[in-house]
Amino acid sequence: GAVVSQHPSWVICKSGTSVKIECRSLDFQATTMFWYRQFPKQSLMLMATSNEGSKATYEQGVEKDKFLINHASLTLSTLTVTSAHPEDSSFYICSAGYDYTFGSGTRLTVV
Amino acid sequence: DAKTTQPPSMDCAEGRAANLPCNHSTISGNEYVYWYRQIHSQGPQYIIHGLKNNETNEMASLIITEDRKSSTLILPHATLRDTAVYYCIVMFNFGNEKLTFGTGTRLTIIP
Repeated sequence: GAVVSQHPSWVICKSGTSVKIECRSLDFQATTMFWYRQFPKQSLMLMATSNEGSKATYEQGVEKDKFLINHASLTLSTLTVTSAHPEDSSFYICSAGYDYTFGSGTRLTVV
Repeated sequence: DAKTTQPPSMDCAEGRAANLPCNHSTISGNEYVYWYRQIHSQGPQYIIHGLKNNETNEMASLIITEDRKSSTLILPHATLRDTAVYYCIVMFNFGNEKLTFGTGTRLTIIP
């Protein structure tokens, strides 16, 4: 079956720095990938749709200048959290593929 | 405007069948019922989906009422590894449509 790899699985960064999270489709090509965020004890919230070769589409309330998405190839999308603050600490998850395969998630802690 | 309603939590004894209900009274004729689950700190995992007929795979069975306003996910012999949050999602068939998660049901399997 389809495999989506996310890296890193966890990261700790200092407040004010930027963090990049990668989402790769390992055995298929994906023109569209989805990025979600999940706070503790809450459901997944869709942040944005990543489109290969064009700009990402952000959900209402998600700051596009803070959460930079790049989908430069058919197998890789990246989410960069810029100028991270403690309130950005969360579990970030991507999905890709026709059948919505999910990555294993990235736990971001901003200190 | 929630499309589905699920109980927030349920318990089930190990080895017994776990029956998870979902109400989707506003489902349209072309919308499918999908079930995903999320084990703690992992990405969601696809379980099963159906349109109007009952479905069964190696993981679970899906029973959809004749009027399609509700459904039940059945895990026939629950194990401790089935402890997770289960999400019932209504959407058109797989594709580039955004997958939106509700609050789900937290299923706890009791030894």
